[in-house]
Parts: sequence; structure tokens; C-alpha cells
Amino acid sequence: DVKVTQSSRYLVKRTGEKVFLECVQDMDHENMFWYRQDPGLGLRLIYFSYDVKMKEKGDIPEGYSVSREKKERFSLILESASTNQTSMYLCASSFGGTGNTIYFGEGSWLTVV
Amino acid sequence: GNSVTQMEGPVTLSEEAFLTINCTYTATGYPSLFWYVQYPGEGLQLLLKATKADDKGSNKGFEATYRKETTSFHLEKGSVQVSDSAVYFCALYRRNNNDMRFGAGTRLTVKP
Repeated sequence: DVKVTQSSRYLVKRTGEKVFLECVQDMDHENMFWYRQDPGLGLRLIYFSYDVKMKEKGDIPEGYSVSREKKERFSLILESASTNQTSMYLCASSFGGTGNTIYFGEGSWLTVV
Repeated sequence: GNSVTQMEGPVTLSEEAFLTINCTYTATGYPSLFWYVQYPGEGLQLLLKATKADDKGSNKGFEATYRKETTSFHLEKGSVQVSDSAVYFCALYRRNNNDMRFGAGTRLTVKP
């Protein structure tokens, strides 16, 4: 089975802190994604990566950055956390090419106080 | 651009009722279409998918048919169970620009 593992399920951080959310997948997928999930807004894409060291901005990249140094790992970084970044963050991965079923991690609940 | 619109929730049904969750999309070409389900406290899981017009995806008693003429991919189940209570997301994917779009999600609650 495909497994996408997010390092933290629940985090509480202070305004202005630097926050790292880590994600690892074990299926050798080319594509990896970070989404943010908010009530009534569904999933919004923050960044995605289609290869090591490659990244593309999604719909809401402001206030976030990403890092992909190894194929299996994709990190989301909040340089200076703000209260409006309180949300559920979902990591996902998929093969490149056709079909493209996306496999999701269980999510990380981030609260910024 | 590409987008997905699904019916607003929440939807509350009694056990064994018939379920329809509407989903329509806007996209050029021939996207692949998906339904994902999110159970309480969990991430999203693929429920079913269809990759070309007139395809029917099915899984766990749920079905959806890719209708290009109406740009729709409505989710149906003939008899829901309490265990189907979850949030359901419709999504589309276009390979040529690697664009995956999700709807806002529809919360379903099934009461015994």
C-alpha cells in the first residue's frame, strides 16, 4: 500500500515562529503536493513538486516555501507563522504521467497563537 | 481556468436512503475526474475515478458517471450507511498542465 506520512498530526506555534511540516512517501512518486484545507474552501494547492529540487507555486503560495532535496521527502516551511495560517495541511503524492491518483497523508493540524 | 463546483452541504440522510452529491466541472479538453472521501480525523482517500467520457467509476456501492455533455460527475449510492458519514470531494486533473482541482467538499451525515 502507498503510504504518505506527515511528521506531526497536531502542532501549536507562536506568531512569528518558523514552522516546518515534513512529508515522506514510500512509493517513488515523482509528484508531491502541499494543500491547505479550510471549511467551506475545500483544498487549495500551496505548492507542488514534480521532481527533486523542482517546485511550482500553487494557488496560495504567499507566506510559504518548500524544499525537496530527496525524491521521497517534501517539506513545507512557514517562514514567519501568522494566525491566518491556522489550518489543516495535507501532503499528497502521485506518479507523473497518466491516471494520477493522488494519495494523501493524514494531515497536520496547525494552530498559530 | 479549471474548476470544480459541488453541491453545498451539509447533507443529512437516514440510513438506507438514496444519495446524490452533484458535481460539475469547467475544463478544456478531457480531464480525469475523481471522488475522494475524508473520514473524521483522517486524510483524503480515493473513492472512485473516471478517465474518459461515459466511463463509470464505482467502489463500495458508490457510482459516478463521467458526462461530458453536461460536464458533470455526480456521486450516487443507492442505500447509505452510518459508516458513510464523511466529507466527499469532487476533483479533476488535467495532465498537460499537471493541474489538480478540488471542489469545496460536501459533508454527509447518515443517521440510524
